[in-house]
Amino acid sequence: EAGVTQFPSHSVIEKGQTVTLRCDPISGHDNLYWYRRVMGKEIKFLLHFVKESKQDESGMPNNRFLAERTGGTYSTLKVQPAELEDSGVYFCASSQDLGWGSPLHFGNGTRLTVT
Amino acid sequence: GENVEQHPSTLSVQEGDSAVIKCTYSDSASNYFPWYKQELGKRPQLIIDIRSNVGEKKDQRIAVTLNKTAKHFSLHITETQPEDSAVYFCAAKDSNYQLIWGAGTKLIIKP
Repeated sequence: EAGVTQFPSHSVIEKGQTVTLRCDPISGHDNLYWYRRVMGKEIKFLLHFVKESKQDESGMPNNRFLAERTGGTYSTLKVQPAELEDSGVYFCASSQDLGWGSPLHFGNGTRLTVT
Repeated sequence: GENVEQHPSTLSVQEGDSAVIKCTYSDSASNYFPWYKQELGKRPQLIIDIRSNVGEKKDQRIAVTLNKTAKHFSLHITETQPEDSAVYFCAAKDSNYQLIWGAGTKLIIKP
């Protein structure tokens, strides 16, 4: 079974530019999550898709962040325009359902550096 | 909402000794507590989890304990080995089914 894949693994952009991160969840996983970890801090929730619908986007920091999951398969997270404080590792995770017995499967993350 | 605190931020132990990482949570309705391990350059992976109706769970050298009254849970690793070196994250699933994460503990195993 292929795991959760994220692209790119690293991205270095200048302040004001646009970056789009992609996540391919495990096939059949309806739940897809985006998280961000800033160096040394907790993994912060950004948003949760159930299929193509945004179930919870309470963690999205502001309107510079746009997430989509067209067709309920892969998801993209666009940051436009990027700011210095957006730097961090962006993780995507998927799970089959919401129950306790359905663990999160993480991707390797995208390390975003905004200079 | 739920808040999870994790301590220590860094833990250095001699190989063969035990390591304990502690987390506290604030939402008494939280009912599921997983621990994830992230090795350098790799993705976080689930290593053990516990539900709120259980006080302790073991899997070989790792164990998790839960004290619902005090709202804290701990990860115990015995007979530590070099491959245990990693960042460990605790989390609590709140009443909205969202996982709220601790800040992570960097565990260093000294040879």
